[in-house]
Amino acid sequence: AQTVTQSQPEMSVQEAETVTLSCTYDTSESDYYLFWYKQPPSRQMILVIRQEAYKQQNATENRFSVNFQKAAKSFSLKISDSQLGDAAMYFCAYRSAYYGQNFVFGPGTRLSVLP
Amino acid sequence: DTGVSQNPRHKITKRGQNVTFRCDPISEHNRLYWYRQTLGQGPEFLTYFQNEAQLEKSRLLSDRFSAERPKGSFSTLEIQRTEQGDSAMYLCASSLRPFGYTFGSGTRLTVV
Repeated sequence: AQTVTQSQPEMSVQEAETVTLSCTYDTSESDYYLFWYKQPPSRQMILVIRQEAYKQQNATENRFSVNFQKAAKSFSLKISDSQLGDAAMYFCAYRSAYYGQNFVFGPGTRLSVLP
Repeated sequence: DTGVSQNPRHKITKRGQNVTFRCDPISEHNRLYWYRQTLGQGPEFLTYFQNEAQLEKSRLLSDRFSAERPKGSFSTLEIQRTEQGDSAMYLCASSLRPFGYTFGSGTRLTVV
C-alpha cells in the first residue's frame, strides 16, 4: 500500500518570504500522480498543484511550485512571496495511475504566515 | 450551483444512535467520493461512486457504514450504532473526470 509522509507538522513564514513544505511517499508503482491540497480554517479542501510522475518538468502555478524527485520519492511544495491568505493546512496526496480512484493523503503541515 | 453541499454541518449524537449525512455534488459531476478526516490527520478514503454505482469501498467502511447514491445525484452516508471512534469530519467530493475534485465543507460528527 502507498503511504505519504509529511515530516513537518507546523511551519511558519514571514509575509513575502518563501517557504518549502516537505513530502515523501512510498510506492512500488511507476506511474502515479501527486498533489498538494490546501485546507483553510473553513475546511474546504482546495487543489494547489498537481504533478504527473511521468513528467520530468516540475509543475508550477503562479507562486506555487514543486520539486519532484522521483528516485528519492520526494515531492516538496515551494510557496514564494507568501501571503496571509496562504495560512492553512497543506496536504500532500498520492493517486495511482493504475488502481482505484482514491487519494492517499499525508497527515498535513499547518502553515502560519506572520505579518 | 456553487459547489458541493454537505448537510448537516455539525451533528452531535449519543453513542449507539444512527446518523445519516447528505452530500449534494456539483450537478454535472458523475463521480462522488466520501472521505473521513480525524483531528490532526489527512482525509482517509471511504468509498467512491460513479453515477449510481458504488465501485470502490475502503476497509474502513465497516458493516456499520453504508452509502448510497440513488439515481446518481445526491449521496447519503449512514452510520449505524455509532461509536466514539466514529467522531470525525466526513468529507464529500465530486468530479467529472478522475481529477479536478471539488470538496464540500464537510459534516463534523461528535459522538458522546
